[in-house]
Amino acid sequence: GESVGLHLPTLSVQEGDNSIINCAYSNSASDYFIWYKQESGKGPQFIIDIRSNMDKRQGQRVTVLLNKTVKHLSLQIAATQPGDSAVYFCAEKDGSARQLTFGSGTQLTVLP
Amino acid sequence: GAGVSQSPSNKVTEKGKDVELRCDPISGHTALYWYRQSLGQGLEFLIYFQGNSAPDKSGLPSDRFSAERTGGSVSTLTIQRTQQEDSAVYLCASSFTNEKLFFGSGTQLSVL
Repeated sequence: GESVGLHLPTLSVQEGDNSIINCAYSNSASDYFIWYKQESGKGPQFIIDIRSNMDKRQGQRVTVLLNKTVKHLSLQIAATQPGDSAVYFCAEKDGSARQLTFGSGTQLTVLP
Repeated sequence: GAGVSQSPSNKVTEKGKDVELRCDPISGHTALYWYRQSLGQGLEFLIYFQGNSAPDKSGLPSDRFSAERTGGSVSTLTIQRTQQEDSAVYLCASSFTNEKLFFGSGTQLSVL
């Protein structure tokens, strides 16, 4: 069936470096994508979202890139900080679905 | 300005007992979702409410699981005759739409 997956389960970066977290999706009908950050013991927190009519969207220190040709989504975090250490989930939805489908998550660790 | 509130935050129960998990969504949010998250895993969709109706119960893993929502607000997820494989974090989310969801901190359920 359709699924959303992540390329890497863990990612370690030095503080101050940029982080890139990748996500592949398989549902070609997906038209909405969203990234969440989940810290230990907390629920997922919204970071940024993007619709399929866009290729790029920027927030504060974060950028989401969408490549519909290869069905790939990425989250870029600029100047990664210790507080960015968390699990990051991508999720997608197509117009006919009532709920988001989540990937399995990437654990980002920021090294001092 | 409260967010999504879930109670209890932790629940330890014995195999075979029934448990009730509560979710108070953000005021005015008509959509309410329950997800389950096993250790180190992604989010598994359980059930979706629009108002008090549950148009999508497809994610409920067995007939031991049920949920209701009253007054278009509070929702209760009930698990009967709990099994050890039910141990997980149960997350509730609410939204004005069915895209950008706002999550609670979850209930950690441990079945001994």
